[in-house]
Amino acid sequence: GEDVEQSLFLSVREGDSSVINCTYTDSSSTYLYWYKQEPGAGLQLLTYIFSNMDMKQDQRLTVLLNKKDKHLSLRIADTQTGDSAIYFCADQFSGGYNKLIFGAGTRLAVHP
Amino acid sequence: SQTIHQWPATLVQPVGSPLSLECTVEGTSNPNLYWYRQAAGRGLQLLFYSVGIGQISSEVPQNLSASRPQDRQFILSSKKLLLSDSGFYLCAWSAPGTGASTEAFFGQGTRLTVV
Repeated sequence: GEDVEQSLFLSVREGDSSVINCTYTDSSSTYLYWYKQEPGAGLQLLTYIFSNMDMKQDQRLTVLLNKKDKHLSLRIADTQTGDSAIYFCADQFSGGYNKLIFGAGTRLAVHP
Repeated sequence: SQTIHQWPATLVQPVGSPLSLECTVEGTSNPNLYWYRQAAGRGLQLLFYSVGIGQISSEVPQNLSASRPQDRQFILSSKKLLLSDSGFYLCAWSAPGTGASTEAFFGQGTRLTVV
């Protein structure tokens, strides 16, 4: 079945760039998403990319998509302590009904 | 505007007791509805999703069930809770249909502890 995988932890220094990686198995993905979860809260959409795009930039966020390798990444420039959270990659499953399959989430820790 | 309500926020239940978590959505019609569980160290797992009243798809065989008695109401239930049912349960909705991009909107979650 469809699957989305992410590394579980990432630690960066404040001011550096963070890169969170994700791989997926669905060969017919239409959209891929990045969500952010603050402690004890639900998820909020950060950004998404359509499968025919290679890159999307939104302020400090850059999303790169390598469709051939089924690899998605999220780069956060000038990472701040407020960016500390869990980041989820999600695949809009092409099998229908806009079902979203999430990865396990990457916990980003930003230290001074 | 659309809103999603999920309750209770926190729940402590003994093993073997029943469970009912409720989720309602306002401001939209015929949404896709989802129940996810976030267990410690295991990320976000899709449990059930529904594209309409009475239509439930189960993703993972388990001790839980879901129902959608009304268009914007989604209920997660169990007849007898297990210790392994502990976790953070999230309800979500997305726009109906297929093909177009769809943002999922999440409730604030229910922290369930089975003791």
